Amino acid sequence: EDQVTQSPEALRLQEGESSSLNCSYTVSGLRGLFWYRQDPGKGPEFLFTLYSAGEEKEKERLKATLTKKESFLHITAPKPEDSATYLCAVRSNTGKLIFGQGTTLQVKP
Amino acid sequence: EAGVVQSPRYKIIEKKQPVAFWCNPISGHNTLYWYLQNLGQGPELLIRYENEEAVDDSQLPKDRFSAERLKGVDSTLKIQPAELGDSAVYLCASSSKGAPTEAFFGQGTRLTVV
Repeated sequence: EDQVTQSPEALRLQEGESSSLNCSYTVSGLRGLFWYRQDPGKGPEFLFTLYSAGEEKEKERLKATLTKKESFLHITAPKPEDSATYLCAVRSNTGKLIFGQGTTLQVKP
Repeated sequence: EAGVVQSPRYKIIEKKQPVAFWCNPISGHNTLYWYLQNLGQGPELLIRYENEEAVDDSQLPKDRFSAERLKGVDSTLKIQPAELGDSAVYLCASSSKGAPTEAFFGQGTRLTVV
């Protein structure tokens, strides 16, 4: 069964304290792994797409990496404006797009 | 380019009443999704369309939920009758059939059933 599990559920960091969010997945024929950011009261905002193991993508303080079983979202020197829920999703070879439960990040000044 | 547009943003109804949500996807996107999101949870797929065809509706509670996508563009999701447990955010997303494959979301409709 296709499944996505994110950890931790919640993460509190001090401003400037780097850390990583994990997304573990099992899927029938990976056709893409996606990271989204979701602010309260808004829809998910697309961040990255990764297609194959070893691939990396960067955007400002965020870096996403992919292996055959999991993906990491590394946050370097986070700022309070990085506080949000980060969602991971995978697309299977049937086209289904499955989400994890998300990691809620709080960055304190 | 306009993003995915959903309306209304908020809806409060009494239980047993009907309710409908509307979604206008990004122009040219063949695939349209309706997701349900409960507080503190990730989005859960209700239905996926490829053009006009519902290709995955296995998670749609068909006794009370229905959806349509006329002419392969706009879509409407309906609940009749609504129950207290239907209170949630209903998200619409769209994507291209080919690459790039990422889906883009609307702002969602927050439904409160009282």
